Amino acid sequence: SAVISQKPSRDICQRGTSLTIQCQVDSQVTMMFWYRQQPGQSLTLIATANQGSEATYESGFVIDKFPISRPNLTFSTLTVSNMSPEDSSIYLCSGGLNTEAFFGQGTRLTVV
Amino acid sequence: GQQLNQSPQSMFIQEGEDVSMNCTSSSIFNTWLWYKQDPGEGPVLLIALYKAGELTSNGRLTAQFGITRKDSFLNISASIPSDVGIYFCAGKRGGGADGLTFGKGTHLIIQP
Repeated sequence: SAVISQKPSRDICQRGTSLTIQCQVDSQVTMMFWYRQQPGQSLTLIATANQGSEATYESGFVIDKFPISRPNLTFSTLTVSNMSPEDSSIYLCSGGLNTEAFFGQGTRLTVV
Repeated sequence: GQQLNQSPQSMFIQEGEDVSMNCTSSSIFNTWLWYKQDPGEGPVLLIALYKAGELTSNGRLTAQFGITRKDSFLNISASIPSDVGIYFCAGKRGGGADGLTFGKGTHLIIQP
């Protein structure tokens, strides 16, 4: 398995600002992903974080709003840009080898 | 995007009872995963299934990968108070490069 750490664990942000969430994995993983979990809802895949190249975004998510970096095999960042209250959610990083996927504890974001 | 149909949405049971929940899809998945999420935490992987028809146990938990590759179930035997939480099924269509599609979750509540 892999241990995945996210920072910050929670934040309250003003609308119009941006927040960058960091994800660190304790071992090299093949794939890293970012998910959003809106209050009381399930998880929705935002994008696949590709090492050294642009992330692959799912339908409904765009790079300008959710820029992602992955400079190496164990680290990735997700930025939530120009935030609005609708962006209030838990953002989760996931990493795995082959077909298993492990999750960080999430970043609880509240936009006011 | 594609979602998995997970049922039941919630379950109210007595301690010691067995629990069963399932997920169905209109399309094929190559991997099925079952997670448990506690409040304020990220999902924790319980069981991973890789082959159609596969039946896998993890302690009191048993899960099966449906023969059609369009469904999976999770059983919990002799429930205990720490089983309370939200259980999610998740499917992966391809190999390691694909992110997960999640069900909407089953909220398990154990009555004293």
